[in-house]
Amino acid sequence: GAGVSQSPRYKVAKRGQDVALRCDPISGHVSLFWYQQALGQGPEFLTYFQNEAQLDKSGLPSDRFFAERPEGSVSTLKIQRTQQEDSAVYLCASSLVGEGGETQYFGPGTRLLVL
Amino acid sequence: AQSVTQLDSHVSVSEGTPVLLRCNYSSSYSPSLFWYVQHPNKGLQLLLKYTSAATLVKGINGFEAEFKKSETSFHLTKPSAHMSDAAEYFCVVKGGLGNNDMRFGAGTRLTVKP
Repeated sequence: GAGVSQSPRYKVAKRGQDVALRCDPISGHVSLFWYQQALGQGPEFLTYFQNEAQLDKSGLPSDRFFAERPEGSVSTLKIQRTQQEDSAVYLCASSLVGEGGETQYFGPGTRLLVL
Repeated sequence: AQSVTQLDSHVSVSEGTPVLLRCNYSSSYSPSLFWYVQHPNKGLQLLLKYTSAATLVKGINGFEAEFKKSETSFHLTKPSAHMSDAAEYFCVVKGGLGNNDMRFGAGTRLTVKP
């Protein structure tokens, strides 16, 4: 079966550009998560959706970061006026419900490089 | 709040020898604990998870981990390393019911020498 997919896999942006990163979760998964993984670090939580509702955005580093999931399926992470410190791998994960010890399934990530 | 500390940033073993990747956690709740593996240019793959059932958890590819509450540890082991085990390993803690905050450790890079 299809896993979590992300596009693009690689993105190079000039400082100040806006970028949009897409995540297609596993079909039927209610919960969707975004993480940011800086070079040599573990992933850090950005935001969480249950269906179309964004229940937690406490990890978003600034108001330049915005995420949406309007129909409760595909999600887009948008970064406005990109800065060099935004360079990282952005990971998307989905889970069936999102409760307790439920497993999150990760996509391959989008590697963003801001020049 | 919860957090994990992976005690070694890099572990190097010879093929066929045991693997030990150490993880200590901190959690205010009864935690769920996970080990994920990340191969280069691949997505994170779940190796195993502990969710308050058996304290010795068996995962894929011969890995297992033991939850020790008294030591707040969840170390990952494998009896015999294979070349294909070379990757980055992440220990992850998640809080109690309704808490979706997954906290990752900084990772341990496992190198396997022939």
